[in-house]
Amino acid sequence: DTAVSQTPKYLVTQMGNDKSIKCEQNLGHDTMYWYKQDSKKFLKIMFSYNNKELIINETVPNRFSPKSPDKAHLNLHINSLELGDSAVYFCASSRGWMGNEKLFFGSGTQLSVL
Amino acid sequence: RKEVEQDPGPFNVPEGATVAFNCTYSNSASQSFFWYRQDCRKEPKLLMSVYSSGNEDGRFTAQLNRASQYISLLIRDSKLSDSATYLCVVNLAGAQKLVFGQGTRLTINP
Repeated sequence: DTAVSQTPKYLVTQMGNDKSIKCEQNLGHDTMYWYKQDSKKFLKIMFSYNNKELIINETVPNRFSPKSPDKAHLNLHINSLELGDSAVYFCASSRGWMGNEKLFFGSGTQLSVL
Repeated sequence: RKEVEQDPGPFNVPEGATVAFNCTYSNSASQSFFWYRQDCRKEPKLLMSVYSSGNEDGRFTAQLNRASQYISLLIRDSKLSDSATYLCVVNLAGAQKLVFGQGTRLTINP
């Protein structure tokens, strides 16, 4: 069983479209995250949720809207996709929310905006 | 100054060699430190946590120097399978998040 699973693995879409990425974890963790890894390989946090509550919202355009229906799921919806949104998006989870515990990552979603 | 800084490399070393790399962090109040490994086109995976007294896991040794605000990773008897990008990760005290370094790319050559 995959601990943190996200879908789709690849997403190719046109500029201006709206798309969603889904993430689920079966580790029983309370906290989930979205990270973005750009072409230079920097991995940067976008959002974190603890038990469905938003904890961190980094400086991310409001075209990005996370949703956590329960603590095992954290989805990411992106409106009006732009070329600069092309990146690999990783979902992750951790046991606690203080930002000092190890992260478990999903396998990533490679988003290509054409 | 960046919150977490690493030499991006690449480091190319022969199989069997010992290789070490450092990572510096800017927040003196940081308490949690990790090394992650990321293979090409894969997700980062925890390699090891870094403890104050230093710790070892097989061929891997991690150390923390609080005074100089850096952590290090030493790999002994390197294997071809150690080829990967190694990410230094530090918690940003008070901000409830982990910050990743750019990563150090390591290639072990036969």
